[in-house]
Amino acid sequence: GAGVSQTPSNKVTEKGKYVELRCDPISGHTALYWYRQSLGQGPEFLIYFQGTGAADDSGLPNDRFFAVRPEGSVSTLKIQRTERGDSAVYLCASSLNPTLAGAFRNEQFFGPGTRLTVL
Amino acid sequence: KNEVEQSPQNLTAQEGEFITINCSYSVGISALHWLQQHPGGGIVSLFMLSSGKKKHGRLIATINIQEKHSSLHITASHPRDSAVYICAVGGSQGNLIFGKGTKLSVKP
Repeated sequence: GAGVSQTPSNKVTEKGKYVELRCDPISGHTALYWYRQSLGQGPEFLIYFQGTGAADDSGLPNDRFFAVRPEGSVSTLKIQRTERGDSAVYLCASSLNPTLAGAFRNEQFFGPGTRLTVL
Repeated sequence: KNEVEQSPQNLTAQEGEFITINCSYSVGISALHWLQQHPGGGIVSLFMLSSGKKKHGRLIATINIQEKHSSLHITASHPRDSAVYICAVGGSQGNLIFGKGTKLSVKP
């Protein structure tokens, strides 16, 4: 079956522009996560959706970052007025339902990432 | 101090060697994950564990909850094992807190 997909795979933009990054989770996965990975670092949490609602957005660095998941499936991460420091790989992951009991309640499946470069 | 610390940061081994990567964490967790990331960025989940030990092929993961420590072992290492290995811990909300990763290079 299809895994998590992300588009575009690469995005180059100029400072100050607006970008949208898309994530298609595994069908039936209710939880969706966005992470950001800078060069040489581990991923950092941005936001977590349970269904359509953002259950935890404490990782968003500032109000230029926003994410939506209107139908509880596809999610879009939106970055306004991009800055050079936003350059990173943006990773999306999905999991079945982390609120369910059981050993695999939070096994996350990762997409290939979108490499964002802000010039 | 990072909430998840990995060591070593970089590791070079000869093919066939036994490899150990360590992870210590300072937060309460529901599960600990070992992930593998190849050049190009794709991340694959290797293990998710909350106690004891798990084995899959040549990979073994252990966790000591009392000491807040986990190890990933690779037996009979092979050049195709070369990748970045990342330890991540899961909280009650579901999001993961990641270590910086250990870059493993296995030479033939």
